[in-house]
This record gives sequence, structure tokens and C-alpha cells, in this order.
Amino acid sequence: QKEVEQDPGPLSVPEGAIVSLNCTYSNSAFQYFMWYRQYSRKGPELLMYTYSSGNKEDGRFTAQVDKSSKYISLFIRDSQPSDSATYLCAMSAGNYGQNFVFGPGTRLSVLP
Amino acid sequence: DAGVIQSPRHEVTEMGQEVTLRCKPISGHNSLFWYRQTMMRGLELLIYFNNNVPIDDSGMPEDRFSAKMPNASFSTLKIQPSEPRDSAVYFCASTPPGPLYNEQFFGPGTRLTVL
Repeated sequence: QKEVEQDPGPLSVPEGAIVSLNCTYSNSAFQYFMWYRQYSRKGPELLMYTYSSGNKEDGRFTAQVDKSSKYISLFIRDSQPSDSATYLCAMSAGNYGQNFVFGPGTRLSVLP
Repeated sequence: DAGVIQSPRHEVTEMGQEVTLRCKPISGHNSLFWYRQTMMRGLELLIYFNNNVPIDDSGMPEDRFSAKMPNASFSTLKIQPSEPRDSAVYFCASTPPGPLYNEQFFGPGTRLTVL
């Protein structure tokens, strides 16, 4: 079993849809959870950063962490074609990047 | 701020040749990471430096790969000799000191093709 699993997609949705992206993990030591967005032929960029369990909202984006289930989610409301990208979850055991690992990424296409 | 700078952006070389990839981290950042990304394996951490010192190189695939950070503003990743299976996009990332360690700032990547 891989340490972090993520459905690779591609996931295609119509503009305006609510998108749900998910990751599961096996290492219970993970406490910090990130979502990175990567546009084609670009480097990843940090989108959301959360600590431990709970929700965090930033505009149209909501990150959710359920440590008891070892499951994290990213929700995108009112999705736009500009949201088309690969979304990588990432996690670590400490705020100094201990055991930092990326998921394989989910490719999202938002169709106009 | 110029962000993380990588050069070259594209490199095409023949099997057996030496390849050197370069990275300039964001000024003030004290940790630097080298990653390799392929469709099959995703984003793999090769090595990371803290204050110019290599901390973890367990991801370096084999002895053909080496990385250096001679000062806070420059790092190189060298492959010698290169092989077709080294074809990938290589990213450099840096992080500032302190608790923002998990926020990595990535460069645009170097797309390497080994024929």
C-alpha cells in the first residue's frame, strides 16, 4: 500500500459544478496537510494548508481533514475553467517538513 | 520577487552525456529541495538541503546522480552518465526558515530528455 493514495483522474466537470478531490493516507503521524495546484508545464503552488483535523475555507476552496479516517478532501465551489489543473495533496509529520510526502495528483478539467 | 529560478528550462541530450541542472532559490530561504516528476512515478523527492547542508539524499536513485549547494543562492543537480530512463521534469523548490517549512515554492522545472 502506498503511503498516500489519490485517484489520478482525469476528472471532468462542467463549469459551476462542485468538485471534490480526495486523498487517503496510512501514516498516522501526519499532522500537516496541504493541497498544491499544478498547471500544465508549471511547478506546483501551495493552495491550502491545514493542521490536524477540521475544515479550512479560502474563497471557493475548502480543505477538510478527518484524521480518524486518514482521509482529506478539497472542495471547489463554482468551479471555473481556470481551475483546470492537477491537484496534489501533500502531508508531513511536523511543521518542519518531517516525512513530507506528495500524493500522485488528480487531473481536473472544468469544461466551459 | 523573481521566485525560484531554474536553468535550463529544456535539455535534450544523448545517453552517456553529463547533464547539469541549476537552481537559484528565493532569497532568504534556507531549505532547498530537488524533485523529479514523471507520469509513472509522480513527484519524487531526490534530496533536500538545509542551510546548504544535505539532510536527506535517500531519494537519489543511484550514484549517477549528485547534488551540491555551494552557497545559499545556488544549487546543482548532476547526472553522469545520463540514461533514457532519467527523462523527466526536474523541479527545484525552496522554503523559508521557521514554521512555514511545509510551504514549498517551486521553480518552473527543467524538462530533460535523454535520447
